[in-house]
Amino acid sequence: NAGVTQTPKFQVLKTGQSMTLQCAQDMNHNSMYWYRQDPGMGLRLIYYSASEGTTDKGEVPNGYNVSRLNKREFSLRLESAAPSQTSVYFCASTGQNYEQYFGPGTRLTVT
Amino acid sequence: QKEVEQNSGPLSVPEGAIASLNCTYSDRGSQSFFWYRQYSGKSPELIMFIYSNGDKEDGRFTAQLNKASQYVSLLIRDSQPSDSATYLCAVKKDSSYKLIFGSGTRLLVRP
Repeated sequence: NAGVTQTPKFQVLKTGQSMTLQCAQDMNHNSMYWYRQDPGMGLRLIYYSASEGTTDKGEVPNGYNVSRLNKREFSLRLESAAPSQTSVYFCASTGQNYEQYFGPGTRLTVT
Repeated sequence: QKEVEQNSGPLSVPEGAIASLNCTYSDRGSQSFFWYRQYSGKSPELIMFIYSNGDKEDGRFTAQLNKASQYVSLLIRDSQPSDSATYLCAVKKDSSYKLIFGSGTRLLVRP
């Protein structure tokens, strides 16, 4: 099992460009999450999907959109990237005891 | 007041010592408690979780939960330099799909 996978691993964007971060899990988990992690700020929840077909805003949703494509895949889209979105992005999915398993992360720089 | 608080550290211990990491939380309705380890540049990885008051042991790791005092701790016995990382505490609130993460405590184990 690959667990949670994310693509790309690294990305550099110019201000105003758009991109989609991809996440997939092969653990048959219902719930999936997108976080960003900035130095000194900890993990902040952007969006989550409690089950296939549902999505909800987290703590910092502005500037992002998500799509729960199917049970395995949950993507995060930046429509018009801003320097404030420079961060490390983690996708996670939830096991049966509500424990979360994280992907390897995407390091995004917006110039 | 943050919902989940951790001392940022660094906590420095000599090799072979017991490292004690603490976490307090504000919501008395919190049900489940998780400890993650995060190496620099890597994603968080689950160490263990605990639901009931008392101790739960897994190898060199022991989680301790005291719901009356609203704290959870992680003890690492026989600390090794490879344990040097940031340790994140996370809390699940009642009837929520979300985990609330603390900002983490950085642990340094001196050879």
